[in-house]
Amino acid sequence: DQQVKQNSPSLSVQEGRISILNCDYTNSMFDYFLWYKKYPAEGPTFLISISSIKDKNEDGRFTVFLNKSAKHLSLHIVPSQPGDSAVYFCAASGAAGNKLTFGGGTRVLVKP
Amino acid sequence: EAGVAQSPRYKIIEKRQSVAFWCNPISGHATLYWYQQILGQGPKLLIQFQNNGVVDDSQLPKDRFSAERLKGVDSTLKIQPAKLEDSAVYLCASSLVGGLNSPLHFGNGTRLTVT
Repeated sequence: DQQVKQNSPSLSVQEGRISILNCDYTNSMFDYFLWYKKYPAEGPTFLISISSIKDKNEDGRFTVFLNKSAKHLSLHIVPSQPGDSAVYFCAASGAAGNKLTFGGGTRVLVKP
Repeated sequence: EAGVAQSPRYKIIEKRQSVAFWCNPISGHATLYWYQQILGQGPKLLIQFQNNGVVDDSQLPKDRFSAERLKGVDSTLKIQPAKLEDSAVYLCASSLVGGLNSPLHFGNGTRLTVT
């Protein structure tokens, strides 16, 4: 039972354009959402998060949008840079603690 | 600050053998996690420690997996006996506290291949 799903396994985008990564969840008890970025042979690194009391959080080129009614969140990267090429994981947590449930990841390739 | 350290980076064993992984979290981080990441999937939590006590081990296959965190710092994860389906990257992570707004810091992982 996948509680967090990233339906697009890969995404290719031109440098300078917008990258949009999507994530859906099924567990209505989730109320904190995070995005992690992973380069090959390295562990995931925290990118940005959003609490369920907000619908948008922005940090530089990265913006996360949350639609609670649709149980959907997205990550926008604008403008995309070649160094953004990595696997991006969506993760969710309930109020009880930060036990994270991860999605399967989306591999992003930014072409120069 | 120094990151989460894990060793070894790679391990190849035959099925039914045993293996152990080591993790040293970021200094001062009370909470330590072991995740299993199978190829093509997201990381899955195996066990969470708060200091040297277990907070959550609901997804740890306890018939073959064991973990300990003596003195609330370093941790080891052991598999005995290993099965083919245990082939994965084992990630250790730590955080200051075990709650929201305390992002996890991951190590580079140990890639295990069981043949």
